[in-house]
Amino acid sequence: NAGVTQTPKFQVLKTGQSMTLQCAQDMNHEYMSWYRQDPGMGLRLIHYSVGAGITDQGEVPNGYNVSRSTTEDFPLRLLSAAPSQTSVYFCASRFRQGGQPQHFGDGTRLSIL
Amino acid sequence: QQQVKQSPQSLIVQKGGISIINCAYENTAFDYFPWYQQFPGKGPALLIAIRPDVSEKKEGRFTISFNKSAKQFSLHIMDSQPGDSATYFCAAVRPGSWGKLQFGAGTQVVVTP
Repeated sequence: NAGVTQTPKFQVLKTGQSMTLQCAQDMNHEYMSWYRQDPGMGLRLIHYSVGAGITDQGEVPNGYNVSRSTTEDFPLRLLSAAPSQTSVYFCASRFRQGGQPQHFGDGTRLSIL
Repeated sequence: QQQVKQSPQSLIVQKGGISIINCAYENTAFDYFPWYQQFPGKGPALLIAIRPDVSEKKEGRFTISFNKSAKQFSLHIMDSQPGDSATYFCAAVRPGSWGKLQFGAGTQVVVTP
């Protein structure tokens, strides 16, 4: 099992550019989520999905878009990148039933110039 | 405003010593308190977790102490080893929130040989 796979690992963008961060999991997890990690702020939830076709906003959703067309994939789109979106992005997944641990990918380090 | 406050920001401990990380929360609705361990370049991984109906949980050298009345919980790493050098995050989860994690800011622990 590969677990949660995130691509790319690193990316540099210019302000105003758009891009998609990819996340795939092979554990048949219903629940998937995106977090951003910033120094001194821990990880903050951007968007999450409880199953294919169902998404909802987290704590810091502005400037990001998601969709969930399959159980395996949960891409995160930056519509018009801003320097404030410079961060490390983590995707996580778990089984939907309560008490299950979240499995995190190894992150995408994104810099917006 | 961070719902889970974590301290200290960083910690240096000698091999064999005890590392102690503290977290405090305000929302009494939280009912699940996990700790995550993160190594450089990797995603967080669940280390140990506790529910508020117990005051202490131990797994190997890692112990969570929970004080429900004070709304505080802490992680103790006994006999700290250089391999324990990592960033540790406490988190809290509300029931009915699809397991959404509210993270503390993180503590960087360095264990010196």
